[in-house]
Amino acid sequence: EVQLVESGGGLVQPGGSLRLSCAASGLTFNSYEMNWVRQAPGKGLEWVSYISRSGGTIYYADSVKGRFTISRDNAKNSLYLQMNSLRAEDTAVYYCAGDVDTGSFDFWGQGTLVTVSS
Amino acid sequence: DIQMTQSPSSLSASVGDRVTITCQASQDISNFLNWYQQKPGRAPKLLISDASNLETGVPSRFSGSGSGTDFTFTISSLQPEDLATYYCQQYDNVPFTFGPGTKVDIK
Repeated sequence: EVQLVESGGGLVQPGGSLRLSCAASGLTFNSYEMNWVRQAPGKGLEWVSYISRSGGTIYYADSVKGRFTISRDNAKNSLYLQMNSLRAEDTAVYYCAGDVDTGSFDFWGQGTLVTVSS
Repeated sequence: DIQMTQSPSSLSASVGDRVTITCQASQDISNFLNWYQQKPGRAPKLLISDASNLETGVPSRFSGSGSGTDFTFTISSLQPEDLATYYCQQYDNVPFTFGPGTKVDIK
């Protein structure tokens, strides 16, 4: 069974940093492209970032470009999101999601909550 | 960026009713359109890919159609467990974008 488990969320002050992790199991991790998708409280879904199987191709939403960095370690079956210069509007549940076709979010983790507040 | 719109934003229907949600893209996305179901407090789940391809294990009462800019999602006979918010999403272009969602309630 495919399983994605996010961790690393929490409360952080504006301007602070946080690193999210997503541990994958039950799949050949390096066969899948990966993404981060977020959902602000009571709001809809927003794609954040994409990374290819090898890590050689990366995309970001304009809202996080220059502040967030996506990476992966295929040897550890793990995906990461380094979030710097956090703002109140970054408050959301962050999901990792894997895809078979680029941009198609075929399977999801349970999410981790990031709260940016003083 | 490709903008996705959905209608209605919410609906209330009875068990057994046929429910239809529409999704429109701001430009031609061919069939690069997915539908997701998100139950309260849960992660989204992919139901339909490529506009009309039902994912494995998804009940056949769910279906999708359309191409280009106009798409439709249908629940042929609404069940109590279908209480959820449904999102369309395009993956033709980066940034990948979602519709605002349609909340489905059971009368």
